[in-house]
Amino acid sequence: EVQLAESGGDLVQPGGSLRLSCAASGFTFSNYWMNWVRQAPGKGLVWVSRINTDGSDTTYADSVKGRFTISRDNAKNTLYLQMDSLRAEDTAVYYCTRGYTVWGQGTLVTVSS
Amino acid sequence: EIVITQSPATLSVSPGERVTLSCRASQSVSSNLAWYQQKPGQAPRLLIYGASTRATGISGRFSASGSGTEFTLTISSLQSEDFAVYYCQQYNNWPFAFGPGTTVDI
Repeated sequence: EVQLAESGGDLVQPGGSLRLSCAASGFTFSNYWMNWVRQAPGKGLVWVSRINTDGSDTTYADSVKGRFTISRDNAKNTLYLQMDSLRAEDTAVYYCTRGYTVWGQGTLVTVSS
Repeated sequence: EIVITQSPATLSVSPGERVTLSCRASQSVSSNLAWYQQKPGQAPRLLIYGASTRATGISGRFSASGSGTEFTLTISSLQSEDFAVYYCQQYNNWPFAFGPGTTVDI
């Protein structure tokens, strides 16, 4: 069964850092572009970042550019999102996705003092 | 940057009714458009991709059409499990923008 499982969400203070992980199973992880999408409480979906199959090509939404870093470890079938200089407006459920077809259940990041 | 709009914002309907949701892109996205259903506390579920192709396991009561800038999602006979928020999303150009969603409720 194709699955994505996010982890690493937590309560963090403004200006702090957090690293999210997404463990993939049931498919050949290294063959797929991967993405992070977020959803603030009660709000809509926003595409955050994407990465190509070998990690050499990454793209970010303007709202996180320079603060977030997407990466992957194909040997461990794991996608990452390093989040630095966190702001209150980064509070959201973060979803890992394989293209637009497969979504994880999400992990909650709360930025608050 | 492509902007996606959806209408209406909220749709109040009864089970058994036919429902049509609209999605508009600020510039052409060809047929690179997906529709998702999201229920409270759950991740979005893919319904439609390529503007009109049902995803695996999706009921035939869901159909979709359109290309370029105008798209529609139709639910032929609304069931109780269909009450949810529906999002469209373009994947023609980065950033892959989502619409604000249409809430279908009773």
